[in-house]
Amino acid sequence: GIQVEQSPPDLILQEGANSTLRCNFSDSVNNLQWFHQNPWGQLINLFYIPSGTKQNGRLSATTVATERYSLLYISSSQTTDSGVYFCAGNYGGSQGNLIFGKGTKLSVKP
Amino acid sequence: DGGITQSPKYLFRKEGQNVTLSCEQNLNHDAMYWYRQDPGQGLRLIYYSQIVNDFQKGDIAEGYSVSREKKESFPLTVTSAQKNPTAFYLCASSRGPEAFFGQGTRLTVV
Repeated sequence: GIQVEQSPPDLILQEGANSTLRCNFSDSVNNLQWFHQNPWGQLINLFYIPSGTKQNGRLSATTVATERYSLLYISSSQTTDSGVYFCAGNYGGSQGNLIFGKGTKLSVKP
Repeated sequence: DGGITQSPKYLFRKEGQNVTLSCEQNLNHDAMYWYRQDPGQGLRLIYYSQIVNDFQKGDIAEGYSVSREKKESFPLTVTSAQKNPTAFYLCASSRGPEAFFGQGTRLTVV
């Protein structure tokens, strides 16, 4: 079936550390996106990354579509990076109907 | 400012009542979506609409209804038939495969 799996489920970091979050997705999932859900619940778009690599400040993401995975890198983490990180992709011919993973809960300690 | 506005932020409902959650966007996006999030979980699709006056059920449509009379607006009604309506509800819109989200409505049944 259609699956989006994220790892690790929980991650605790000291401020300044680097981390890698992983998203594995099944055959029919494409148009991958990464989101950060802040403590107030809002989903912030981080990357739209169906393939290749993108960077935005301390964050970067890589999707290898042929191998069905995507990675989100956070460098020099800050306490404001805390929250839940979701990857999601749409399936088949749909536009924007996203299948979400269960998320990685990141806690950055000062 | 362009964006997606959901209201109210918090909503309390008595058992047996219908309530309507508002979602408005001024991004000129064609497609709009409603998702539900339960604690510790990813988002699940309730309904989506690709064009005005047309909408389709998502994975968990039972107990919900929607309308799409205007491009900018996609209200969600949580009916008394929804057995467990307490959740965080997120509205999204997209013009292509990339989706953007509102700030959410937290619904609690009392």
